[in-house]
Formats: sequence, C-alpha cells, structure tokens
Amino acid sequence: GNSVTQMEGPVTLSEEAFLTINCTYTATGYPSLFWYVQYPGEGLQLLLKATKADDKGSNKGFEATYRKETTSFHLEKGSVQVSDSAVYFCALSDRGNQGGKLIFGQGTELSVKP
Amino acid sequence: EPEVTQTPSHQVTQMGQEVILRCVPISNHLYFYWYRQILGQKVEFLVSFYNNEISEKSEIFDDQFSVERPDGSNFTLKIRSTKLEDSAMYFCASSLQGYQPQHFGDGTRLSIL
Repeated sequence: GNSVTQMEGPVTLSEEAFLTINCTYTATGYPSLFWYVQYPGEGLQLLLKATKADDKGSNKGFEATYRKETTSFHLEKGSVQVSDSAVYFCALSDRGNQGGKLIFGQGTELSVKP
Repeated sequence: EPEVTQTPSHQVTQMGQEVILRCVPISNHLYFYWYRQILGQKVEFLVSFYNNEISEKSEIFDDQFSVERPDGSNFTLKIRSTKLEDSAMYFCASSLQGYQPQHFGDGTRLSIL
C-alpha cells in the first residue's frame, strides 16, 4: 500500500543553519505531496504542496521538489530561525479529486537553537 | 482567515462510555475528515465524508465509530464504547474540493481512564 517515510528526529540546528528533512514515498499512480507543520499546542498547518512530478512547492523560505524518479519530496530551508521549531510531517494524497485521504510520515521534530 | 474549530480541546472519559467529538469545518468546504494521532505515533486517517455519506474509512474505523453532519455547520465523531486504546489526539479536517489541500483543526485530546 501507499506509505511515507521521513528521516527520524529530533533534528537540532543552530539559527541560520541549512535544513534538510528527507521524505520518500511509495505510491501507485500519481499522488499529490504535502508538507504540514505542527507548532507546539496547535494543529497541522499546510506548509507547501506539489501536485505533479518536478513541481516545486515553496512557502516561508521552505522548498520541496516532487521527484518522481527518486520518489522523494525533501524539505529544505536555507537559513532556519528559532521560530521554525516545530514538528514537520510529509504526506501524500492518492485519490485526486475523489476526496483523497492523507497518508502521513511519522513526523520530524526540529529544534532550532539561538 | 477561516479555520476549522474543534471542541472540546481535551476530553476525559471513563472506559466504556460514549464520547462525541465536535468539529466546525470551514463554511464552504465540501469534504470532511477525521484523523487521529496516538502519542508518539503517526497521524492516521480514520474516515472521509462527502455529500452526507462516508466516502472512505480505514480499518480503525470499526462499528464503534460513527460520523454525522447533523446540520449545515457541525461534523461529529462518535465513539460508542470507548477503550483505553482510543486515547489519542483526534484531528478534524476539511477541504473545498477533494483534490485541494486539507485544513486541520487544533485537535481534541481524548483521554480514556
């Protein structure tokens, strides 16, 4: 079945460091891919998305490129801030306009130190 | 910005009791979802709902679970006879169309004693 695998956390970085959180997926067909972020005590917020191969999603300095050949959707940011400390979830949706459920990775906790 | 709201934020219930978790999706959204996250585990899909009926459900969503949209604004998840293993954070989500991103509420933490 469809699945998402993320790198394990926690990831601890200093402010202004480069961030990569790896995400790979297994899916039949052509899923849409998402990154969600969960700040402490809050719900899941959509960070960015990509709906087809080679699409790049970007938001708030974060980027991820849909790589069909490597079945990956790695999250990157050039310079992290303390306020980026949160749990990041990679997810896929495989039913298109039929109201597709999201399948999540296990989440990666990011802690950014001043 | 419109948001999905969930109540209560924390629910404590005795094992075997019924519990209803409430959600108010974004007003013009047509697709509704419930997910849960057991502490330390992945966020798991429970059920999706469209046009007043369940469109998909997971293996977790057994006969003890039900969903309802009793009026034009609320979307509820009922667990008839709670078990200890139902303790989790439950998230409601909605989307305008099925292919569009889902917007999540802040969740209800359900604790079964």
